[in-house]
Amino acid sequence: DIVMTQTPLSSPVTLGQPASISCTSSQSLVHGDGNTYLSWYQQRPGQPPRLLIYKISNRFSGVPDRFSGSGAGTDFTLKITRVEAEDVGVYYCMQATQFPYTFGQGTKLEIK
Amino acid sequence: QVQVAESGGGVVQPGGSLRLSCAASGFTFSSYGFHWVRQAPGKGLEWLAFIRYDESNTYYADSVKGRFTISRDIAKNTLYLQMNSLRPEDTAVYHCAKDLTAGFASNGPDWWGQGTLVSVSS
Repeated sequence: DIVMTQTPLSSPVTLGQPASISCTSSQSLVHGDGNTYLSWYQQRPGQPPRLLIYKISNRFSGVPDRFSGSGAGTDFTLKITRVEAEDVGVYYCMQATQFPYTFGQGTKLEIK
Repeated sequence: QVQVAESGGGVVQPGGSLRLSCAASGFTFSSYGFHWVRQAPGKGLEWLAFIRYDESNTYYADSVKGRFTISRDIAKNTLYLQMNSLRPEDTAVYHCAKDLTAGFASNGPDWWGQGTLVSVSS
């Protein structure tokens, strides 16, 4: 199975400042069809997960443009340009290149 | 709008069985694959199973393979998860989620339900 490792596990951020979360996979996420199926999810307290980014860098419907994804192969990053109070929660990366799909451990974003 | 809603959770003894349901609306149910994902109390997300739009393939995490079965009823726009031989470590909130991509391919989950709590305890 592909192991997804996120860093940091906790990220205290000042409102209005940027935040960055890294995700590393134990093997390349490039699918045989040429796509890389790496997604990012946000889970606010008491809520189900919400898709933010799919295929490394594509923002899902309704996601603010302060969220962006980048990376290739085995190393990926989620960036928030200016953190807002509503961004508090846990962020997960997930690979959908190979079954079984696997999630990272989660990164808790909190306000300083 | 897209809606998915789970039901069927509850308390069950170790070794027991439970069937979860997930009612979907707001889109063409028969065109999309579906996932089950769980979250143990205070823990992260664990992907469990996927069924393709046409039921041609199903896939499972090793932790549930041989015990859980994912299925769907297109006439009822409903997804199911049959859970047998339940263990205390299966205690979690179980979410169903629609796949992002219509058709055979899979991009992973997009829309998620609120989840239903399953507690395995004697």
